[in-house]
Amino acid sequence: DTGVSQDPRHKITKRGQNVTFRCDPISEHNRLYWYRQTLGQGPEFLTYFQNEAQLEKSRLLSDRFSAERPKGSFSTLEIQRTEQGDSAMYLCASSSGQPGETQYFGPGTRLLVL
Amino acid sequence: AQSVTQPDIHITVSEGASLELRCNYSYGATPYLFWYVQSPGQGLQLLLKYFSGDTLVQGIKGFEAEFKRSQSSFNLRKPSVHWSDAAEYFCAVGATGSSNTGKLIFGQGTTLQVKP
Repeated sequence: DTGVSQDPRHKITKRGQNVTFRCDPISEHNRLYWYRQTLGQGPEFLTYFQNEAQLEKSRLLSDRFSAERPKGSFSTLEIQRTEQGDSAMYLCASSSGQPGETQYFGPGTRLLVL
Repeated sequence: AQSVTQPDIHITVSEGASLELRCNYSYGATPYLFWYVQSPGQGLQLLLKYFSGDTLVQGIKGFEAEFKRSQSSFNLRKPSVHWSDAAEYFCAVGATGSSNTGKLIFGQGTTLQVKP
């Protein structure tokens, strides 16, 4: 168990550019979650995968955001035409999907949009 | 709708003193309840969780929490705080039931500062 990893850890981009983040969950976990955390706030749910199927998306996830988990393993989160309001920490978590499951979080990707 | 309230945004305690961080939730049934800790530049680490059984749960690093259904609360406690406990603490609620996705709803967090 090597834990959840995320890449990159930090990203600085200019407004209007596209960015893509990667998350590698714990290998046997079939559930994968993306959250967004802004300064001084708790994480907010963005989207959830069960294996390769994206089963729920938050209203926070505008049309500029897309997430994939093509083979049920790693996941990517892409933001198109970034805006300054997208600046945040993007957290990935995975779990086994059992009742009372624990979500294990990665270290996050901190995005700064200039 | 589910929600979590952490009334204290910032708490300062002296090293060795006891600690209680408050958490209130809103949910139609008995939820799954979690406390996570986040140190600067780090991801979230689970301290403890409740989903059934004994309402007093023990966690890592000497923390415990008590689920009180009548008060919709899940307060976190530690009898003696160490300087290394300085961090941000998040309470979270997870949906129960067969259709639950497991997504977590977090409070806004409590920042703990420890005085020497």
